[in-house]
Amino acid sequence: NAGVTQTPKFRILKIGQSMTLQCAQDMNHNYMYWYRQDPGMGLKLIYYSVGAGITDKGEVPNGYNVSRSTTEDFPLRLELAAPSQTSVYFCASSYGGGPKGYTFGSGTRLTVV
Amino acid sequence: EDKVVQSPLSLVVHEGDTVTLNCSYEVTNFRSLLWYKQEKKAPTFLFMLTSSGIEKKSGRLSSILDKKELFSILNITATQTGDSAVYLCAPYNNNDMRFGAGTRLTVKP
Repeated sequence: NAGVTQTPKFRILKIGQSMTLQCAQDMNHNYMYWYRQDPGMGLKLIYYSVGAGITDKGEVPNGYNVSRSTTEDFPLRLELAAPSQTSVYFCASSYGGGPKGYTFGSGTRLTVV
Repeated sequence: EDKVVQSPLSLVVHEGDTVTLNCSYEVTNFRSLLWYKQEKKAPTFLFMLTSSGIEKKSGRLSSILDKKELFSILNITATQTGDSAVYLCAPYNNNDMRFGAGTRLTVKP
């Protein structure tokens, strides 16, 4: 089982550039999440989705956009990258939304210079 | 505003020592509290506690939740070098886990 797959693993962006972080899961999970983790901090929720076509903001959504056109994919879009978006991004999925069943991806380390 | 505070921020011990990690929280619509272990990459699930005073045990790890005083502790006995990691506590409220900053545990041989 692949679980939750994130690409790329590393990326360096220049200020003002845009990019999409990819996340795909093959477990038929309906819930998907994007978190960011700054150095020495816990994870903060950016956006989440409870199913295809439905997304909602988390704790820190500014500067990001998401879409959920299929059950499997939940890409995170960064427009006009800023140094404050330098972080490690984790995608996660779960079935039914309960916290115990979260499966995390291995993360994308993004640096904005 | 929701708040999750973990202490200590870092801890260095020797193999065989016992450690206690603390988590205090103020989270609206609290449902449960989770503990995760994070090594180099993604967090991995350890415990979920929903009822106050219930101690969860898994081998050398155990955890207690006090919903009245709004805190949880994670105990690790007979520590091993493989326990070296960041331990995150995460109260859960319907849709979201609010993670603390974590405690970095280093276990020396």
